[in-house]
Amino acid sequence: AQSVTQLGSHVSVSEGALVLLRCNYSSSVPPYLFWYVQYPNQGLQLLLKYTSAATLVKGINGFEAEFKKSETSFHLTKPSAHMSDAAEYFCAVSANAGNQFYFGTGTSLTVIP
Amino acid sequence: DTGVSQDPRHKITKRGQNVTFRCDPISEHNRLYWYRQTLGQGPEFLTYFQNEAQLEKSRLLSDRFSAERPKGSFSTLEIQRTEQGDSAMYLCASSLAITQAKNIQYFGAGTRLSVL
Repeated sequence: AQSVTQLGSHVSVSEGALVLLRCNYSSSVPPYLFWYVQYPNQGLQLLLKYTSAATLVKGINGFEAEFKKSETSFHLTKPSAHMSDAAEYFCAVSANAGNQFYFGTGTSLTVIP
Repeated sequence: DTGVSQDPRHKITKRGQNVTFRCDPISEHNRLYWYRQTLGQGPEFLTYFQNEAQLEKSRLLSDRFSAERPKGSFSTLEIQRTEQGDSAMYLCASSLAITQAKNIQYFGAGTRLSVL
């Protein structure tokens, strides 16, 4: 079975500060991992994905995430927060990259000017 | 182009009524997925299709929920005898499942259902 846990339902950072959103996964098989962003009243947009290639994955809008098998983590980071980064972020895991996604409960990111 | 399109964006209905939502995937995408998202939660997988075949439906919430994709293009999700607990955002996603590494789901904006 697969699942993800997102630590911190709300994260606030100052504009220009480091963004760190935490995601830990559980999977009985090598996982495929994803980060999605959701703006109000919009669908989910893929930020980045890990599919067993490089452990450091770069995504859109300056975000990146590192797959750490020993820690079962896939934390999302961005060196410098921008006001436009304020949104809901979801981590997801799939055992086979496509059939069933299991999403975390999301982390709401607030960026303080 | 156009991304995944869902219609309607909002639906208000009375308890006990049937509702149907439509999803138009990105053209040429062979997979289509339905999710439900309630407030403060992540999307919850319901079902998915590969072309017109429904390959997984055990996660549908009850027998009041059904989905179709008759010609392998658009899909409909129907909820019969709606209950207040059905109030949620219903999301559709599609993907082109060529390889696992390239099987990325693209989401629509969702249909928000309110059951009064």
